Amino acid sequence: LAKTTQPISMDSYEGQEVNITCSHNNIATNDYITWYQQFPSQGPRFIIQGYKTKVTNEVASLFIPADRKSSTLSLPRVSLSDTAVYYCLVGDIKGGGYNKLIFGAGTRLAVHP
Amino acid sequence: DAGVIQSPRHEVTEMGQEVTLRCKPISGHDYLFWYRQTMMRGLELLIYFNNNVPIDDSGMPEDRFSAKMPNASFSTLKIQPSEPRDSAVYFCASSPSGPPGLNEQFFGPGTRLTVL
Repeated sequence: LAKTTQPISMDSYEGQEVNITCSHNNIATNDYITWYQQFPSQGPRFIIQGYKTKVTNEVASLFIPADRKSSTLSLPRVSLSDTAVYYCLVGDIKGGGYNKLIFGAGTRLAVHP
Repeated sequence: DAGVIQSPRHEVTEMGQEVTLRCKPISGHDYLFWYRQTMMRGLELLIYFNNNVPIDDSGMPEDRFSAKMPNASFSTLKIQPSEPRDSAVYFCASSPSGPPGLNEQFFGPGTRLTVL
């Protein structure tokens, strides 16, 4: 499985856009990029997933350049409730739903008033 | 759906005792995962099942740990005998199978285990 590297922590303020970049230089052709969010005392929660270019949902956007060696999670106008740990995962997804995920250390985002 | 259900939410036991953690996955999900989270090691995958069959248990730390899935709606993770270093939050997650890229896992609230 491809190894990922992301910043240990980030700070932001309410109303700002936050971009968290993840490096995955050894990503393979079959790998998808997935981001999860974890609040204290809760299990991780799926945010977004993509393979290439840009993906957007009601929570976030995911930007993936053509070489796919990195990806950026973009959170628009963060609020205090976005304070959490964000995990970037690269999974070898095969047909039929092979879903093994390896969680790294994640990025601890702190949003300040 | 109520989501993934885990019990108990908190467990405090003494070293040497047997501990059983329980999980009810979301109905219709084919995959079930057990994770362990600690400050030192982060979130680790212990074992996962597909259609009630264990597929990969390479993350199970040692023989003291065992997991079963007797049917599609129930799984257990057992530690016997427990040790203080087993103290952690244990998460159960489930996911449906599907086309490539469908990879959303739904996590339960976790069981916080403390072994004294």
